[in-house]
Amino acid sequence: DAGVIQSPRHEVTEMGQEVTLRCKPISGHNSLFWYRQTMMRGLELLIYFNNNVPIDDSGMPEDRFSAKMPNASFSTLKIQPSEPRDSAVYFCASGGEVLNNEQFFGPGTRLTVL
Amino acid sequence: GESVGLHLPTLSVQEGDNSIINCAYSNSASDYFIWYKQESGKGPQFIIDIRSNMDKRQGQRVTVLLNKTVKHLSLQIAATQPGDSAVYFCADTGSARQLTFGSGTQLTVLP
Repeated sequence: DAGVIQSPRHEVTEMGQEVTLRCKPISGHNSLFWYRQTMMRGLELLIYFNNNVPIDDSGMPEDRFSAKMPNASFSTLKIQPSEPRDSAVYFCASGGEVLNNEQFFGPGTRLTVL
Repeated sequence: GESVGLHLPTLSVQEGDNSIINCAYSNSASDYFIWYKQESGKGPQFIIDIRSNMDKRQGQRVTVLLNKTVKHLSLQIAATQPGDSAVYFCADTGSARQLTFGSGTQLTVLP
């Protein structure tokens, strides 16, 4: 298995532009998590899906952020419009069996908003 | 004063020595605990986990100890190697399956 796949690995954009981050979870996993990591705030959970349904989006910073999971093998995190304070590394993670809460992380997308 | 970023606890050990990384958690309802290792430029990588019905679990060169009375978790790494240098995070979760991560500890292995 290739593990969790994220794209792009690096994104540099200008303030006000739309940014879309992509994630392919591990096949067979039924939960998917989006995290943001910064030096100021550490690792923060933004939203998580179970069986493609958003369960908890209380970590999404504001309405500029949205996430979708149209099917079991794909999810997107969109920021529109982007702002410099959104600069961070965004991780996607997927999880498997209900009794095992282990999450497998992707390599992350480093976002820089100028 | 103004925060300038997370101040990660740091631990420096000599190569070959044992390392002990500590973590405190706050949610007494947490029933599952994980240690992750994050190397520079990479995502967190699973090391070892433990459920609340256990107080010790061993893996290859690593041992996790759980003290529910004082809500404390520790990771012991035996015979620390240069490749162990990384930031180590503890995380805990209850039935909601959401992981709550600690701020991390930077482990540096000295030659």
